[in-house]
This record gives sequence, structure tokens and C-alpha cells, in this order.
Amino acid sequence: DAGITQSPRHKVTETGTPVTLRCHQTENHRYMYWYRQDPGHGLRLIHYSYGVKDTDKGEVSDGYSVSRSKTEDFLLTLESATSSQTSVYFCAISDGTSFNEQYFGPGTRLTVT
Amino acid sequence: GENVEQHPSTLSVQEGDSAVIKCTYSDSASNYFPWYKQELGKRPQLIIDIRSNVGEKKDQRIAVTLNKTAKHFSLHITETQPEDSAVYFCAASIRANKLVFGAGTILRVKS
Repeated sequence: DAGITQSPRHKVTETGTPVTLRCHQTENHRYMYWYRQDPGHGLRLIHYSYGVKDTDKGEVSDGYSVSRSKTEDFLLTLESATSSQTSVYFCAISDGTSFNEQYFGPGTRLTVT
Repeated sequence: GENVEQHPSTLSVQEGDSAVIKCTYSDSASNYFPWYKQELGKRPQLIIDIRSNVGEKKDQRIAVTLNKTAKHFSLHITETQPEDSAVYFCAASIRANKLVFGAGTILRVKS
């Protein structure tokens, strides 16, 4: 597996609380991504980063924000968690060469009660 | 934007038989098509990919074919084994930095 870790691996939180998930890579890859995985929907892109302080929205970005202050770390924040954000969240990385081979982290299971 | 449809959603085969999963994409500019395998509780793992300048690629028991005219691509697994049981996802990339995934296929190999 590529050098990607996610923390925490599991989290239970209450509706309305802020939550931050962390993705850390040791591959020095340029691109980092946050996806959510829900039954019947596959993997849906939330936000991605193409460099330090450079980020862009994916298809399901409402209710989420991201930050990347260092090459190795990409943070996903739920400003005010809702039950619809209960999901498994995966981080992925890519070196940004001409074809987009992405490698995934182990995932974070988030439950919002 | 790009849309990827994947069929079937579930597939059951007998051990030793072949399995085929098909995906269609909407944007003719897509040029990269990876396949991921995800075992229960694990991360998606890249198992094979194909680029738009080739029609077929093989790696041992798995192969992927691409028909650019019809905008569809398929994953073929031959001589299936119980350890092939997993969820398989196709994806398409219209640019070098984003992937759009299909909804996934649950493959069950019965022994």
C-alpha cells in the first residue's frame, strides 16, 4: 500500500458538532482527494487539492471544507455535522502525471447521531 | 460533466467460470479507465487500467477492453476463484486530475 494514513479510523459524533478528518501521505504526491462512499453510489468526490493551498470542489462538496497547508496533509472539515454525512470517507493520492492513477487510504468510518 | 454507469450491480458465478462487468461513460474526451477492487472493510485497490490509445490489456486472469466508439469498457475475470469475491468499481478520467466512478458491482464466486 502507498504511504497513506487517515485519522481517526472511526468516529461517532453528534449532529451540529464540527468534525475534522486528517489524511497524511509520505509519497510527496501533488494531488490529494477526499471521497465519500455510500451504498449504491460508489465513490463520490468531495474536494481535491492540486498543491499546497490549492483546492477545488468535487461533485458533493456542500457542507464540507478542506485545507492543505503542507504537501503531506489534507484535512476535511464538516463544519456542522448532519446525519446525511454518516459515511465512509476515503482519502486518495496521485502524482499528477498524465494519467490519473489514484491510491487510497484505509478510510474513516464516521457516524453522526 | 462525466457520468459513468456500471452493470450489473451484483453478479454471482460458479468458481472457475468467467465474470464480465461493463461500464459506459458519457464524455468522449475521457482517456483513462481504471478498475478498482474493494474487499469487505478494506480500501479500494487499483487492479488494472487502460488508456484510450489501446483496445485491450491483460494481466494474468484479468483483462480490460475499451470500445471508444461505443464509449464503453469492460472487465473480464477468467477462472474465477473465491478470493475474487469483492466489490469492483470502474472509473473514467476526463482530465489528469479527476476520476468519476461507477456505482460498483458486487461479485460473488461460489465454490
